Amino acid sequence: NAGVTQTPKFQVLKTGQSMTLQCAQDMNHNSMYWYRQDPGMGLRLIYYSASEGTTDKGEVPNGYNVSRLNKREFSLRLESAAPSQTSVYFCASSEFLPTGSGNTIYFGEGSWLTVV
Amino acid sequence: QKEVEQDPGPLSVPEGAIVSLNCTYSNSAFQYFMWYRQYSRKGPELLMYTYSSGNKEDGRFTAQVDKSSKYISLFIRDSQPSDSATYLCAMTPNTGGFKTIFGAGTRLFVKA
Repeated sequence: NAGVTQTPKFQVLKTGQSMTLQCAQDMNHNSMYWYRQDPGMGLRLIYYSASEGTTDKGEVPNGYNVSRLNKREFSLRLESAAPSQTSVYFCASSEFLPTGSGNTIYFGEGSWLTVV
Repeated sequence: QKEVEQDPGPLSVPEGAIVSLNCTYSNSAFQYFMWYRQYSRKGPELLMYTYSSGNKEDGRFTAQVDKSSKYISLFIRDSQPSDSATYLCAMTPNTGGFKTIFGAGTRLFVKA
């Protein structure tokens, strides 16, 4: 069972470079998310997509863009990377919003991004 | 002030100990409370979920919610080295949209 697959797993960027993190889920989920995880800060939501064709900002959207390519795929783009964007990025999905009432969020294994 | 506060630890216990992990929160609108477990270099996975106040038990794990004190707990009985991980609390209000807030996580080490 693949679940949520994200690539690349590790990446080093120079300040100002751009890159796209790719994410795909095979659980036929409607909702998808991008989080970043930093020490002492926990998981913070960058963007989410409630369903195919919609995207919304989360808590920390500045410096990022997203594309919900189809129901399976949700990509995160850094247009001009900054050292403050050094973090671990997690893609996630759930059957629908909201994520209470037992609606589990499933996470990918993470992408470690370093901006130098 | 963060909406959800969680002691980052690390918490180190001997095998077989009872572990207590806790979170406090400030938003009284939170209705759904979850605990995620995250192994090193992996994504979080849902461990337990509870709605409103009360207790929920699943094997060696018990989740407890005290809404009057805005305090939730996860108890692990007979802890095992395989329980060594980071435990994140998460909570969601009973409203539409997406407002799940995660705690920073507590690192737990269970020594054999």
